[in-house]
Amino acid sequence: DTGVSQNPRHKITKRGQNVTFRCDPISEHNRLYWYRQTLGQGPEFLTYFQNEAQLEKSRLLSDRFSAERPKGSFSTLEIQRTEQGDSAMYLCASSFERGGSEKLFFGSGTQLSVL
Amino acid sequence: DQQVKQNSPSLSVQEGRISILNCDYTNSMFDYFLWYKKYPAEGPTFLISISSIKDKNEDGRFTVFLNKSAKHLSLHIVPSQPGDSAVYFCAASYGTASKLTFGTGTRLQVTL
Repeated sequence: DTGVSQNPRHKITKRGQNVTFRCDPISEHNRLYWYRQTLGQGPEFLTYFQNEAQLEKSRLLSDRFSAERPKGSFSTLEIQRTEQGDSAMYLCASSFERGGSEKLFFGSGTQLSVL
Repeated sequence: DQQVKQNSPSLSVQEGRISILNCDYTNSMFDYFLWYKKYPAEGPTFLISISSIKDKNEDGRFTVFLNKSAKHLSLHIVPSQPGDSAVYFCAASYGTASKLTFGTGTRLQVTL
């Protein structure tokens, strides 16, 4: 079990630049989630996929954010025209959906700093 | 609208004593509750969970209690150990979508 892997661990960018993060879930997991965490807050839901289908997006996810999960394997989260308010830890999690409640396994996150 | 609340931002407990972390929720639709533990520079790690059909779940030193009428849950750690020092998040979900709603966390410090 290699766990959920996220790259890069840290990203520093200038305001207005585009950034892309990658998440590799646990291999047998069919659900993949993106969360964002800022200082002093708990993780906030952004979006999730079941296999390759994006099933829900939070209203927190502005038009500058896009996520994909081609072929239902890894996922990417892209932020276009970054703003200082985008600075946060971006967390990916995966789970295996069995028609009921299940626990999410989180990666170590990508820390984004927008200067 | 904070649907899951952890009103104590920090807690300090002596090694060997009991740690009690509290969590309140407002959404009566929630039917599954989890506790996650987070160390600095790492993602949250699952600790223990409880379904709304139960009022207690135990796993080793960790016990979660659920009081549905009060919309309150608590995590008990007995005995507390220095390695338990971390931020603890309460989370809740409902239905078949496991989208979790998190509280703001409680930082536990276990002192020698």
